Amino acid sequence: GAVVSQHPSWVICKSGTSVKIECRSLDFQATTMFWYRQFPKQSLMLMATSNEGSKATYEQGVEKDKFLINHASLTLSTLTVTSAHPEDSSFYICSARGLLGDTEAFFGQGTRLTVV
Amino acid sequence: GQNIDQPTEMTATEGAIVQINCTYQTSGFNGLFWYQQHAGEAPTFLSYNVLDGLEEKGRFSSFLSRSKGYSYLLLKELQMKDSASYLCAVCDSNYQLIWGAGTKLIIKP
Repeated sequence: GAVVSQHPSWVICKSGTSVKIECRSLDFQATTMFWYRQFPKQSLMLMATSNEGSKATYEQGVEKDKFLINHASLTLSTLTVTSAHPEDSSFYICSARGLLGDTEAFFGQGTRLTVV
Repeated sequence: GQNIDQPTEMTATEGAIVQINCTYQTSGFNGLFWYQQHAGEAPTFLSYNVLDGLEEKGRFSSFLSRSKGYSYLLLKELQMKDSASYLCAVCDSNYQLIWGAGTKLIIKP
């Protein structure tokens, strides 16, 4: 399958700082990228969907000013958690999909964010 | 609304067979996925069904009945490393993945 690289794998930051997470599709062009968060023992929760070159679509309850998503190229999307707080500590996972209508999404390795 | 149901937790014995069921109600259907997720890791792809029937891949098989909105993942010859969560996801008419909450599978010696 296709490869999606996400980094960092884990990050610890101080409350109030911002953290950027990168998601790259290594061997295909990702027209759509998805960002999820997952709390311990819970399912994946879709935060936002981004299509290359356009603004991300955020799910209800997700603050777009806090979770900034940029999908400037067909191989890179970034999620920036601004002014992080301890409650933002979670596992963040990106997935990427290729051609429009291509159903399978390939996952990055995930980023464990801990805000102290 | 859209809904994916799967059991929260299942327990099975090493070497045995286990079947994890998934029922769904979605707006449109463009395939059903099963993913395996070990604790602290991202999900990994197991199978994809878009037509009715059974797809076999080694120790894992996946079945789909679109008329019943039903799928199952069958794991044979269970190994301790199969202890993980198994996520069922349906691709809807907008090609969005709708996720189930996952089934935590515990394998006992």
